[in-house]
Amino acid sequence: GAVVSQHPSWVICKSGTSVKIECRSLDFQATTMFWYRQFPKQSLMLMATSNEGSKATYEQGVEKDKFLINHASLTLSTLTVTSAHPEDSSFYICSARGPGGQETQYFGPGTRLLVL
Amino acid sequence: GNSVTQMEGPVTLSEEAFLTINCTYTATGYPSLFWYVQYPGEGLQLLLKATKADDKGSNKGFEATYRKETTSFHLEKGSVQVSDSAVYFCALSGGATNKLIFGTGTLLAVQP
Repeated sequence: GAVVSQHPSWVICKSGTSVKIECRSLDFQATTMFWYRQFPKQSLMLMATSNEGSKATYEQGVEKDKFLINHASLTLSTLTVTSAHPEDSSFYICSARGPGGQETQYFGPGTRLLVL
Repeated sequence: GNSVTQMEGPVTLSEEAFLTINCTYTATGYPSLFWYVQYPGEGLQLLLKATKADDKGSNKGFEATYRKETTSFHLEKGSVQVSDSAVYFCALSGGATNKLIFGTGTLLAVQP
């Protein structure tokens, strides 16, 4: 149980285009989901907290107009990287607060984005 | 603020060797502590957790004990296997938001 999926698993796009990444909780409802960014050989950096039915809360230094987050249902959150540039290339990971307790998060497999 | 410090890698061991990956934390209050594992090409998986002092989390032969007096949560395994090769992240969660704060990760490479 407590499975989180992400789609797509990888994407290559041209500079200036927008890319949408989906995060789904498959067997539980998640009122709160999180979006992280992971650079090679580094730790995960929290980008934003996504709450179902309300606006996302962004961490300091993360551009909310650049990284649009929508959490329209209890099982789906989306991250849209708008007008992507090569420096946005990264590994994006979502997680969902799940049935293991308020502090337990279950992670998706990640989406690798390459912007050319 | 809250933070997690874990030993830098890579850690290279032979199969069946004993493993310790050190993790210490700084936090106000009483955080929950976690170890996550990231296998090559995959997302993070929760390995074990402990929610209060002196609790021991265990899973798949790995153990970690929540030591409040030393603010530590070291990961141990008595006999590692090649399949344990992965990046291990120590993390804590606490405060009003329960955000996860991660250490920088430790790469473990187990050789046959």
